[in-house]
Amino acid sequence: EAGVAQSPRYKIIEKRQSVAFWCNPISGHATLYWYQQILGQGPKLLIQFQNNGVVDDSQLPKDRFSAERLKGVDSTLKIQPAKLEDSAVYLCASSHPVGDYEQYFGPGTRLTVT
Amino acid sequence: AQSVSQHNHHVILSEAASLELGCNYSYGGTVNLFWYVQYPGQHLQLLLKYFSGDPLVKGIKGFEAEFIKSKFSFNLRKPSVQWSDTAEYFCAENSGNTPLVFGKGTRLSVIA
Repeated sequence: EAGVAQSPRYKIIEKRQSVAFWCNPISGHATLYWYQQILGQGPKLLIQFQNNGVVDDSQLPKDRFSAERLKGVDSTLKIQPAKLEDSAVYLCASSHPVGDYEQYFGPGTRLTVT
Repeated sequence: AQSVSQHNHHVILSEAASLELGCNYSYGGTVNLFWYVQYPGQHLQLLLKYFSGDPLVKGIKGFEAEFIKSKFSFNLRKPSVQWSDTAEYFCAENSGNTPLVFGKGTRLSVIA
């Protein structure tokens, strides 16, 4: 079974530029999460999707962050414009909608904003 | 709001020493508890999980954790660590199909 795929793995941009990350969850996993992991901290939720609908985006900084999952499969997370404090690893995770809801994580995208 | 506390920021052990990493959670309802590990340069991997039943949970690579409801704790243990256990360890909780709430992590360094 293929795992959660993310790209790119690394990205370096200047502040005020825009950036987009892509995630392809495990096949059949209806629930998809984006987490932000700042160095020295645990991951924190940005947004949760169930199929193509948003379940929880209460912690997403909506003035600069946006995310979509148009067809209920892969998802993109965008930052525009980026700030220095957005430097972090962006993790995507997916889970099956029934059963034990175990979340499977992708390798993450490490973003550096200079 | 739910929160998870990990008491140790950085633990340094010699090979073959015993390990116990502390984790306390705040949610008073039905809770699922997890320990994840992140090896250098790799992504988060699940070590073990507790949903219900036997409070002593055994995971991969010889790790185990004990759920103590009265203490809101879910400490991770391993009787004898190896150099390859050097990694960052995260405790997390959720309740059903909800986002995980993570602790800040504990960095484990195992020296020969």
